[in-house]
Amino acid sequence: AQSVTQLDSHVSVSEGTPVLLRCNYSSSYSPSLFWYVQHPNKGLQLLLKYTSAATLVKGINGFEAEFKKSETSFHLTKPSAHMSDAAEYFCVVSDSGTASKLTFGTGTRLQVTL
Amino acid sequence: DGGITQSPKYLFRKEGQNVTLSCEQNLNHDAMYWYRQDPGQGLRLIYYSQIVNDFQKGDIAEGYSVSREKKESFPLTVTSAQKNPTAFYLCASRTQGASNTGELFFGEGSRLTVL
Repeated sequence: AQSVTQLDSHVSVSEGTPVLLRCNYSSSYSPSLFWYVQHPNKGLQLLLKYTSAATLVKGINGFEAEFKKSETSFHLTKPSAHMSDAAEYFCVVSDSGTASKLTFGTGTRLQVTL
Repeated sequence: DGGITQSPKYLFRKEGQNVTLSCEQNLNHDAMYWYRQDPGQGLRLIYYSQIVNDFQKGDIAEGYSVSREKKESFPLTVTSAQKNPTAFYLCASRTQGASNTGELFFGEGSRLTVL
């Protein structure tokens, strides 16, 4: 069985400071992991994905994430937050045992203040 | 441009009425999905289809029905049996195969409100 836990439901940062959104996963097989972003009343957009290649994954808009198997984590980071980063972020896991189904975390709302 | 189109964007329904949400994709993806999104609960899978004329129940299928007569189309019907249908509904697609590496592509969503 696969599962994903986003450790913070809400994160607030100042513009220009680093962003850290935390995600832990559980998987019985080799997982693929994804981060998506959602702006209000919109669909989800892929930020980045890990699929067993390099453990440090770079995505769009300056975001990156590191796959740490020993810690079962896939935290999302960005060196400097921008006002446009304010949105909901979802961590998603898909393991090879259930290739057709993906499991979503409950989301982290990122607030960026001046 | 390739993508997923959901319609309508906003829909109001009276209790006891069935409504159908449209989802069309031109990405040539085999697999299509319907998710329900409620505040604080993330996305929950309603139904998914891996190939034309075949579909499977997800985690919250009760009160919903789907069809997959064409590769491009995967409509969702919210029936009167769904006890709490007010929600944001998202359709998605992905390439299919044994691999779990393909990402989901999402539509813009449909917001259903029951009056």
